Formats: sequence, structure tokens, C-alpha cells
Amino acid sequence: GAGVSQSPRYKVAKRGQDVALRCDPISGHVSLFWYQQALGQGPEFLTYFQNEAQLDKSGLPSDRFFAERPEGSVSTLKIQRTQQEDSAVYLCASSTRTDHGYTFGSGTRLTVV
Amino acid sequence: EDQVTQSPEALRLQEGESSSLNCSYTVSGLRGLFWYRQDPGKGPEFLFTLYSAGEEKEKERLKATLTKKESFLHITAPKPEDSATYLCAVQALKGGKLIFGQGTELSVKP
Repeated sequence: GAGVSQSPRYKVAKRGQDVALRCDPISGHVSLFWYQQALGQGPEFLTYFQNEAQLDKSGLPSDRFFAERPEGSVSTLKIQRTQQEDSAVYLCASSTRTDHGYTFGSGTRLTVV
Repeated sequence: EDQVTQSPEALRLQEGESSSLNCSYTVSGLRGLFWYRQDPGKGPEFLFTLYSAGEEKEKERLKATLTKKESFLHITAPKPEDSATYLCAVQALKGGKLIFGQGTELSVKP
């Protein structure tokens, strides 16, 4: 597609549920990033892939968060046993190179109740 | 520690009233400084990348400048459609991640 596609756009989860958020990057983009954005704040880095390799996962807040990109294109961010503090917008971005401007998707708004 | 601070947090302008947004940064070797625009309910939209002190880039009513410690986003004769949150981010020489500031929410009234 023409842009970065994220699904679902909105997700409501009960506390303790597992969720999976999907990102379809722009075709051919090597680099893929996940960010978390709380209301009124700037995006916070979660993790980074180059092709299928996860090169940096230093921003993942706990071992409940897991990301994968098995074939170097689509990526999934999984959150196990969701907590209220996980409520945020999860943004995915892709780029041809890490020093180019990234293209962001519209995000998935996760609300944990 | 690499960090970015933006000011002001919010800015209200009248249409045509020029102003500047500030982005102060500390980074262990700058690879690039990025400006993004974010509209409500959408992801950030790329505006500019600046790589070295003294560099300037322009796009319509926006002009971004860079020094060794800060960047400015100058808005000339803004229009209501320029209303958005403007985000600044830095990328260090080591690693690919962007470190964002908290953003400046710009509101332009007709």
C-alpha cells in the first residue's frame, strides 16, 4: 500500500487479556519501529527491526511486551496480561534507511479497562 | 542521557502572526534532528531532517534551523490549517531510534 497500515485502529481490552497489534509497513522498507504515545506526550521508543532482525528492544517496558517480524515485512506487537498503564496509542513507523524520515501509521489506540 | 525539550508546550496565534517553536536537545553525537507534525487521531507526519549546525530547510510557511544545542521551527504568517502538534526528535549516531520531545500544540485562530 501507499502508507503504513496499522490494525486494529481501536482496541478495548479487559485487564489481564492478551492483545496483538499489527503493522503493515511500506513495501520494501527495511527498518520498522514501534513507539508508545501517552496522551499529551511525545512518542516513546519501544523496539526496532531491520528486516527480520530485532536490533533494539531496550524500550519495551516489561517482559509482557513482545514484538516480532518473522519475514521482514509485517510486524506484530503483543502485550500479555494487559494492565491499565498499558493504555496508550501504539505507533508503527517504517523507513528505507534509519537516517531518513520515518513514515508513521495512524496508530492503534489501546484502552485497558 | 539523550533528551529533547520543546517549548512552549502550547502556543496560540492569530492568523498571520508569525512565531517560533523551540527544540533544545542533548545527544551523544547527532546523526539527525527531525521535525514532525501530528494532527489529532493521526500518526506524526514527516516535515524536515537537519543534519548539521547552520543547516536550514523550508516548506511553505515553515522554516527549520539548527544549532549545536537547539532547533527552531519558524512559522511565517500562519493559517488555521497549520494548527497541530509539532514534534521534534533527535537520532544519535549510535542506533536508529528517534528520541522525541513532548511536542508543542499550536493553535491558529482566524
